[in-house]
Amino acid sequence: GAGVSQSPRYKVTKRGQDVALRCDPISGHVSLYWYRQALGQGPEFLTYFNYEAQQDKSGLPNDRFSAERPEGSISTLTIQRTEQRDSAMYRCASSSNSYEQYFGPGTRLTVT
Amino acid sequence: AQSVTQPDIHITVSEGASLELRCNYSYGATPYLFWYVQSPGQGLQLLLKYFSGDTLVQGIKGFEAEFKRSQSSFNLRKPSVHWSDAAEYFCAVGEGNEKLTFGTGTRLTIIP
Repeated sequence: GAGVSQSPRYKVTKRGQDVALRCDPISGHVSLYWYRQALGQGPEFLTYFNYEAQQDKSGLPNDRFSAERPEGSISTLTIQRTEQRDSAMYRCASSSNSYEQYFGPGTRLTVT
Repeated sequence: AQSVTQPDIHITVSEGASLELRCNYSYGATPYLFWYVQSPGQGLQLLLKYFSGDTLVQGIKGFEAEFKRSQSSFNLRKPSVHWSDAAEYFCAVGEGNEKLTFGTGTRLTIIP
């Protein structure tokens, strides 16, 4: 079946612009996670949802970052007033109740 | 707070040789442990996981890992590597269906 998909795969934006990154999880997966991965580092947790409820947003670096999953399926991670330090790979994962997280291909964000 | 240490940033092995990638974790309770592989331009693929029970777990692509509570380790092994195993490998620790904490990764290079 289809895996986790993310769009766009690549995004180049100018400093100060807002960006929205989309994640479409595996059908039926209850939980959805967002991570950020800098070059040469492992993924770092940002936030996660069970169904439409945001369970933990402790990893969001500041209030420019927000996420939603209004119908318990597709999720959007929004970064307002982007800064160069926001440049990274943003990864989405989904999970059923099996505790295994399945990752999408990621969105490479570059802020110029 | 949970943490993961992968002490080897880069490992080079000859094709056909054995492989062991090290992972140490810090976690208060019994951890859920994972190994993921990231090939260039690809997403993270789950290799194997440990939740409980037998401390030697088998995964995909001929990989295995052994959980050693006394050493807080979860090292990944493969008896004979193939050129296609060249990738970056991440160890991660999690709690139930919540966030994963990743190590910084080990880049594996295979030489003919």
